[in-house]
Amino acid sequence: DIQMTQSPSSLSASVGDRVTITCQASQDMSNYLNWYQQKPGKAPKLLIYDASNLQTGVPSRFSGSRSGADFSFTISSLQPEDIATYYCQQYDTLFLTFGGGTKVEIK
Amino acid sequence: QVQLQESGPGLVKPSETLSLTCSVSGGSISANTYYWAWIRQPPGKGLEWIGSIYYTGDTYYNPSLKRRVTISIDMSKNQFSLNLKSVTAADTAVYYCARLVVEVGRGGMDVWGQGTTVTVSS
Repeated sequence: DIQMTQSPSSLSASVGDRVTITCQASQDMSNYLNWYQQKPGKAPKLLIYDASNLQTGVPSRFSGSRSGADFSFTISSLQPEDIATYYCQQYDTLFLTFGGGTKVEIK
Repeated sequence: QVQLQESGPGLVKPSETLSLTCSVSGGSISANTYYWAWIRQPPGKGLEWIGSIYYTGDTYYNPSLKRRVTISIDMSKNQFSLNLKSVTAADTAVYYCARLVVEVGRGGMDVWGQGTTVTVSS
């Protein structure tokens, strides 16, 4: 199985800051890597699919990219409504795995 | 607009079987561009994929749960189900159902149910 190591586990940033979260795959994989936002008490919401594609209706301040085994998720300008936990998830095979999550807070 | 809704008991006794159903509305569960998945989240913890099913009945299970899990699909009712046997307190979680897109040019779990809390306790 492909394991995803997500970092950091939490971060605190100011409104307007650029925020980046990383997921590293345990083995070579395709671009089948998705990013989700989960707010307390709510189901996760798909933001980015296949590493870099913005889901319909998602603000353009969210983006995803890949460099080798590392996948990155960026919020270009952090907004108060972006307070949430973010998860990466791979489906390179149909045995899915999630990263451990990153809790984003406002400083 | 496709919607998913989980249903089932909120309380299950240890050693018994947890059974949940996900009802799909606004679209067909037999569409060939989707898998249907179960995911859970223990209190205060991260997301764990349980397993997925295709409309043909093909299933994929998390290896750590495989011995206890069965996922089935009922196209006549447009729903799919989860059975998890021999539950313990460690199975206490919010259980979500979701749609996984496997179409070229699209991807991800794009539709989720609201989640249902299952507590394992005597």
